[in-house]
Amino acid sequence: AQKVTQAQTEISVVEKEDVTLDCVYETRDTTYYLFWYKQPPSGELVFLIRRNSFDEQNEISGRYSWNFQKSTSSFNFTITASQVVDSAVYFCALSRPLSGSRLTFGEGTQLTVNP
Amino acid sequence: KAGVTQTPRYLIKTRGQQVTLSCSPISGHRSVSWYQQTPGQGLQFLFEYFSETQRNKGNFPGRFSGRQFSNSRSEMNVSTLELGDSALYLCASSLEAGGTTDTQYFGPGTRLTVL
Repeated sequence: AQKVTQAQTEISVVEKEDVTLDCVYETRDTTYYLFWYKQPPSGELVFLIRRNSFDEQNEISGRYSWNFQKSTSSFNFTITASQVVDSAVYFCALSRPLSGSRLTFGEGTQLTVNP
Repeated sequence: KAGVTQTPRYLIKTRGQQVTLSCSPISGHRSVSWYQQTPGQGLQFLFEYFSETQRNKGNFPGRFSGRQFSNSRSEMNVSTLELGDSALYLCASSLEAGGTTDTQYFGPGTRLTVL
C-alpha cells in the first residue's frame, strides 16, 4: 500500500521568511511519481511539480525548490522569501504507473504567510 | 486552453436525494478522475475513467457511480445522499492513462452540502 505523510499540519511565517514543507512517502514500487499541489482558498488544486522516482535531481523554479531524497523517502518543498500570496494548503501526492492517474494524497499543510 | 470545468459549483441537497455532478476535461485529455475532499478524510480517490471505461475505483460504496461520454466529459452520481457525503468534489483530467502517469489538472470543484 502507498502512503504519504505531511507531518506539519499548519505553518505560520512572516513575509520574506523561507519555509520548508515536509513530505514523506511509502511505496513498494520502484517506479513511481511524486507531485506537489497548491490549494488556495478558492478550492482548485494547482499543479506545481511532478517528479519520477528515477530523477533525484533537485529542482528550482523561481522562489520554489524541491529536494527529492530516495534514501529517506522524502520530497520536501521550500519557498524562499515567502509572500502573502503563498498562503494556501499544500499537498504532496504519489502515484504509480499501474494505477493510471490515481493519486494518493498526504493530509496537506496549511501555510499562512503574514505581512 | 481552457481548464477543467465543473458544474454546478455549489449544491444543497437533503438526505435521501440523489445528485449528479458534471466535469468537462481540458481539450484533448482522455482521462478523468474524481476525488472527494472532506476535513476528516482529506482527499480521497473515487474513480477514474478513460475512453468511457472505468479504469480505477476507490473504496467508496456503490451509491457513488460515474460515467464518461465519448467527448471525454464525465458525470458522477451519488444516490441516497447521507450527511457524510457533504464535501468538495474535485474532478481532474490528464492526457492519457494506462501504463503511464500523466499530470492531473484539477477543476474548481463542486461544493455539495447535504442537510
